[in-house]
Amino acid sequence: DTVMTQSPDSLAVSLGETATIYCKSSQSVLYSFNNKNYLAWYQQKPGQPPKLLISWASTRESGVPDRFSGSGSGADFSLTISGLQAEDVAVYYCQQYYTAPRTFGQGTKVEIK
Amino acid sequence: EVQLLESGGGLVQPGGSLRLSCAASGFTFSNYAMSWVRQAPGKGLEWVSGISGSGESTYYVESVKGRFTLSRDISKNTLYLQMNSLRAEDTALYYCAKDREGSSTPRYFDSWGQGTLVTVSS
Repeated sequence: DTVMTQSPDSLAVSLGETATIYCKSSQSVLYSFNNKNYLAWYQQKPGQPPKLLISWASTRESGVPDRFSGSGSGADFSLTISGLQAEDVAVYYCQQYYTAPRTFGQGTKVEIK
Repeated sequence: EVQLLESGGGLVQPGGSLRLSCAASGFTFSNYAMSWVRQAPGKGLEWVSGISGSGESTYYVESVKGRFTLSRDISKNTLYLQMNSLRAEDTALYYCAKDREGSSTPRYFDSWGQGTLVTVSS
């Protein structure tokens, strides 16, 4: 299985500052045929199901604020929240969909400092 | 609007069985792969099983192979997860999730239900 490892496990950021979450896969999730990274990011707030933020490593879903951005390629990725807002407090997960079974990172909890 | 409504969870003894259902609406059910993703209390997300839009192909995480069976009834727009030989480690909130794209294999998920809780305990 492809193991997804996120860092850090938690971070506290001041309102308006930038939060960066890292995700490393145990093997590349880049498909050379189409040059796409098979990597998604989700946000989960307490008591709610996950919400898809980003797919293909950097494509933001419709309606997702542009302060959320994804980057990276191969096996190393990041999710950046620029200008953290109070409503961004949540747990964030990366997920690969390149290999079976689909696997998630362990999650990163983002809090307000 | 896409809606996914799970049901069928509950308390079951180790070794017992449950069948989860997910009623889907707001999209053409047969065009999308579907999955079940579970979350143990206080823990992260784990993809459990997926099925192609046609229902011809199913996929499972190793830990549930031979115990869980995923199926779909396109006429009823409903997804089913038959869970047998349940173990304590299967205790979790089970989410039904719709694939974002109309691919034949489950990839990533743009719509989720609220989940149904499965508790395996004596």
